[in-house]
Amino acid sequence: SAVISQKPSRDICQRGTSLTIQCQVDSQVTMMFWYRQQPGQSLTLIATANQGSEATYESGFVIDKFPISRPNLTFSTLTVSNMSPEDSSIYLCSVRGGSSYNEQFFGPGTRLTVL
Amino acid sequence: GQQVMQIPQYQHVQEGEDFTTYCNSSTTLSNIQWYKQRPGGHPVFLIQLVKSGEVKKQKRLTFQFGEAKKNSSLHITATQTTDVGTYFCAAAGGTSYGKLTFGQGTILTVHP
Repeated sequence: SAVISQKPSRDICQRGTSLTIQCQVDSQVTMMFWYRQQPGQSLTLIATANQGSEATYESGFVIDKFPISRPNLTFSTLTVSNMSPEDSSIYLCSVRGGSSYNEQFFGPGTRLTVL
Repeated sequence: GQQVMQIPQYQHVQEGEDFTTYCNSSTTLSNIQWYKQRPGGHPVFLIQLVKSGEVKKQKRLTFQFGEAKKNSSLHITATQTTDVGTYFCAAAGGTSYGKLTFGQGTILTVHP
C-alpha cells in the first residue's frame, strides 16, 4: 500500500487568499488524484494529475481556481485560489495501487476553513 | 456522468445488531469498491467486487455484487462500536482509466 502525506493538515484562511496543499507519496505513481469532501458529504473528484502533462479537471472544476502541479512521480500540489467560504472543505490526495491496481489510497486530508 | 445512489444516509443500531447499506447504479459497472471512513479520518479501501453475483466476506462484513452488476450491498453482522464511521461505495465505469464515482455514504452509529 502507498503511504501518503499532506501539508498542511488544516488551515484557516481569509476570503480572497490562496492556499497551496502539498501531497507526497512514498512510491512513484503515474496518476495522482485530488478530491474534495465538503462537511458531511461524499467525495468529489476535482482533477487527475499526471506527471509531465496538464491535469485533467472534472466538470465544475477549472484550472484557474484549482491549479495543480505535478513536478515528479511522488509529489503534487493543489492550489485553492481566490478562496471563498464555499471552498471550506477537506481536500484529499489519492493514488491508485494495491493488488488489482484499482484500490484508492488516500492521504490524511487538509481541512480548510475560509472565513 | 455516472451516478451511484447509496442508502440509507444514516443508520443507528444497538451494538450486536446487523447493518446493511445498499448501492445502486442505473448503468452497468465494471467493478465496485467499498471504503470506510472513521470520524475525522480518511477513506480506507475495504474491498473490490468485479464479477457478476460475486460475494466476498471479511470477518463480520459481507459484500455482494448484483447479477446485473448494477447494485451492491455491504452487510455487517453483529455490529461493534469499532464499526462506527461512514461507508462509501465507489463505482468504476467501463474504461480502463477506472475513474471512481463515490456514493453519498451511509453514516453508521453504534450504541453500546
